[in-house]
Amino acid sequence: KAGVTQTPRYLIKTRGQQVTLSCSPISGHRSVSWYQQTPGQGLQFLFEYFSETQRNKGNFPGRFSGRQFSNSRSEMNVSTLELGDSALYLCASSLAEFYGYTFGSGTRLTVV
Amino acid sequence: GESVGLHLPTLSVQEGDNSIINCAYSNSASDYFIWYKQESGKGPQFIIDIRSNMDKRQGQRVTVLLNKTVKHLSLQIAATQPGDSAVYFCAENIKGAQKLVFGQGTRLTINP
Repeated sequence: KAGVTQTPRYLIKTRGQQVTLSCSPISGHRSVSWYQQTPGQGLQFLFEYFSETQRNKGNFPGRFSGRQFSNSRSEMNVSTLELGDSALYLCASSLAEFYGYTFGSGTRLTVV
Repeated sequence: GESVGLHLPTLSVQEGDNSIINCAYSNSASDYFIWYKQESGKGPQFIIDIRSNMDKRQGQRVTVLLNKTVKHLSLQIAATQPGDSAVYFCAENIKGAQKLVFGQGTRLTINP
């Protein structure tokens, strides 16, 4: 079966711009989570969605937002980009609790 | 100021030897634990998981041990192969929070 698909794979943006990243979960998975990975902070939780509802949010500024659609696909948006937002953004989907989280290959965002 | 990269612990083993990667977790409320492998340019790949009501679980060439008394998790890889070279992360699922908290990771290097 198809894995978690994230688009685009690479993105270069300028400070002050905004960006939207997309994630298509494994078919049947209704939980989608987003993580930011940087050399300085490692893997940090951004937010989790289930059936279009955000159930939890990590400690990130309000510039980071997300949503989930009725087909479980999810998007995350970062507004007013800063240099420090450069990171690998990872999406993970899960069938249910205790069934593991499958990650996509990520979107590498570079802010210049 | 400029962020400092995480100093990843490194483990070097000879091909064919067994590897043991350790992880300390922080939250007593964590009820589920996962080990991930991440290769360069890829997202984390699920290796094995364990629920908090277990203390050992085996997979193909891998074993996870959980010691809740000291909040310690370990991953044992038998007969290490060159393809096992990667960064390994432990992750704890915070009960009720629908999120994973990741360890800093360990870089495993296989010597021929």
